Amino acid sequence: AQTVTQSQPEMSVQEAETVTLSCTYDTSESDYYLFWYKQPPSRQMILVIRQEAYKQQNATENRFSVNFQKAAKSFSLKISDSQLGDAAMYFCAYRSNAGGTSYGKLTFGQGTILTVHP
Amino acid sequence: NAGVMQNPRHLVRRRGQEARLRCSPMKGHSHVYWYRQLPEEGLKFMVYLQKENIIDESGMPKERFSAEFPKEGPSILRIQQVVRGDSAAYFCASSPTQGAALRPQHFGDGTRLSIL
Repeated sequence: AQTVTQSQPEMSVQEAETVTLSCTYDTSESDYYLFWYKQPPSRQMILVIRQEAYKQQNATENRFSVNFQKAAKSFSLKISDSQLGDAAMYFCAYRSNAGGTSYGKLTFGQGTILTVHP
Repeated sequence: NAGVMQNPRHLVRRRGQEARLRCSPMKGHSHVYWYRQLPEEGLKFMVYLQKENIIDESGMPKERFSAEFPKEGPSILRIQQVVRGDSAAYFCASSPTQGAALRPQHFGDGTRLSIL
């Protein structure tokens, strides 16, 4: 079974600064996807960024980028130019692409609460 | 194009009662996933359904919990004889096909279940 670990329960950053959230995962599969989701106090689950395991190039979405290290099974999220609206719980998630009945389900980490200071 | 709709947004039940949570997937989506988020924890997979079929229920407790996704109407997560430990936020997500090509799951806003 796959596991996802976020070792930082809480992180904080000053507005306009950069912060990196850590995520590691454990899997024996080679074909999978990784995601970062944001959950603000409203509780919505908002997709921030996604990465295909077979792509070596790190994904970027505006101020959000990832550092994907497949051999190390590491998938960190970097938020540049942090804004007050970035404050939320961030979840790292794994999704297998290997087929079978578990295909498609997401395995989440425990989450990291990000606080942004003005 | 309406997103994933969950209702009710909040549900309060007394111990021993039944809770029914509803999820209408996005238009054109035929795959539904239910997740549970206990306080201060991440989301945990419960069950994956397609129309009229349960595909994977490996995350569902063996007793008191059931799920369905009928040919017509929303997906229902049913919890019988609720206990305090069932208090959580329950999220539904849908996708158009079986996880093909990076198509992300679209989440509803969740139902917060409180057991008195």
